[in-house]
Amino acid sequence: GAGVSQSPSNKVTEKGKDVELRCDPISGHTALYWYRQSLGQGLEFLIYFQGNSAPDKSGLPSDRFSAERTGGSVSTLTIQRTQQEDSAVYLCASSLGQGGFEKLFFGSGTQLSVL
Amino acid sequence: AQRVTQPEKLLSVFKGAPVELKCNYSYSGSPELFWYVQYSRQRLQLLLRHISRESIKGFTADLNKGETSFHLKKPFAQEEDSAMYYCALRRSGATNKLIFGTGTLLAVQP
Repeated sequence: GAGVSQSPSNKVTEKGKDVELRCDPISGHTALYWYRQSLGQGLEFLIYFQGNSAPDKSGLPSDRFSAERTGGSVSTLTIQRTQQEDSAVYLCASSLGQGGFEKLFFGSGTQLSVL
Repeated sequence: AQRVTQPEKLLSVFKGAPVELKCNYSYSGSPELFWYVQYSRQRLQLLLRHISRESIKGFTADLNKGETSFHLKKPFAQEEDSAMYYCALRRSGATNKLIFGTGTLLAVQP
């Protein structure tokens, strides 16, 4: 399909392990966003990539969280030494990145469970 | 800092009843406000934005700068409106990074 693709859809891990979450944006979209969705917290902004500009990392909750975007397309969100409070749905979104208002297109998310 | 507040975690109404999902924001500049919706087993998607001043699926929302509110309204709720609704803010002239509220789950009972 032509939508934002995220993998895996579900990830169960043990506390202390590292995890990688992947996002394939819509082809041609240069802007990419990561959000975390959890009960009671709503949607928390994590990080934003726009073309070749330095990413906006202002939402990353700790230095255990990092993200990269290779070749301006696929992005990977890495969580090191996972904690139980990291359990949430991690959503990726993309938009054209041409400036002005743009609708965000969301993926179906990765449900992360840290045991 | 920008903040979006949705005071109700759950709103339960009967079919045909009016609906109002509350949203308040704090931002010193001139914001753009949005409502996003997530139906069961579907992706989060844009419902409407205040600049468009349009009605989508019978929903409307008016930006009230005096009260810093952007409440979502529908005169007659339908069962298919049951979903999670998120209010979001974008700083005007800035990137499309959105600040979301905590969401309100709307349950329309038959």
